[in-house]
Amino acid sequence: GAGVSQSPSNKVTEKGKDVELRCDPISGHTALYWYRQSLGQGLEFLIYFQGNSAPDKSGLPSDRFSAERTGGSVSTLTIQRTQQEDSAVYLCASSLRERNTIYFGEGSWLTVV
Amino acid sequence: GQQVMQIPQYQHVQEGEDFTTYCNSSTTLSNIQWYKQRPGGHPVFLIQLVKSGEVKKQKRLTFQFGEAKKNSSLHITATQTTDVGTYFCAGTSGTYKYIFGTGTRLKVLA
Repeated sequence: GAGVSQSPSNKVTEKGKDVELRCDPISGHTALYWYRQSLGQGLEFLIYFQGNSAPDKSGLPSDRFSAERTGGSVSTLTIQRTQQEDSAVYLCASSLRERNTIYFGEGSWLTVV
Repeated sequence: GQQVMQIPQYQHVQEGEDFTTYCNSSTTLSNIQWYKQRPGGHPVFLIQLVKSGEVKKQKRLTFQFGEAKKNSSLHITATQTTDVGTYFCAGTSGTYKYIFGTGTRLKVLA
């Protein structure tokens, strides 16, 4: 596609349930990022994938969070046993290579009730 | 770890006034990028600065990278209502991991 595609755009889930957020990066982009943005706040780095290298998971806030990237393209961010503090916009981004322009998707707005 | 702070956190200006946001890193940066996020939107890339002391202009926007490569600024001349949004800087110390600043939310009053 022309841009970074994320789904779902909005998700309301009950506390304790698991959620999966999907990201389809720009075709050919080898670098993929996940960031989290709480309402009115800045962007919090979660995880980074680059090609076939081991991902940098240093930003994941707890072991309830995990992410994978299949075939060097689509990525899924999974949050297990969701908590209310997980409510935020989850932004996926991709770039052609390291230190190039980062293109963001529209985000997945997660609300945990 | 690396931290990137921006000031001010909020700025309200009258249309036509100038606006500046400042970005300060706790570590030396290899390059810095600036993004704009409109209300309800996602961050959109504006520019990248790489060289010490570099200055770049985009119409009414002027971007500067400090000599020590630890700070940067974005200056908007004669703001317009279309400038409304949150401006983020994002820096890296040589790796892929861009750390975003805390952002400056600009409101322009007509």
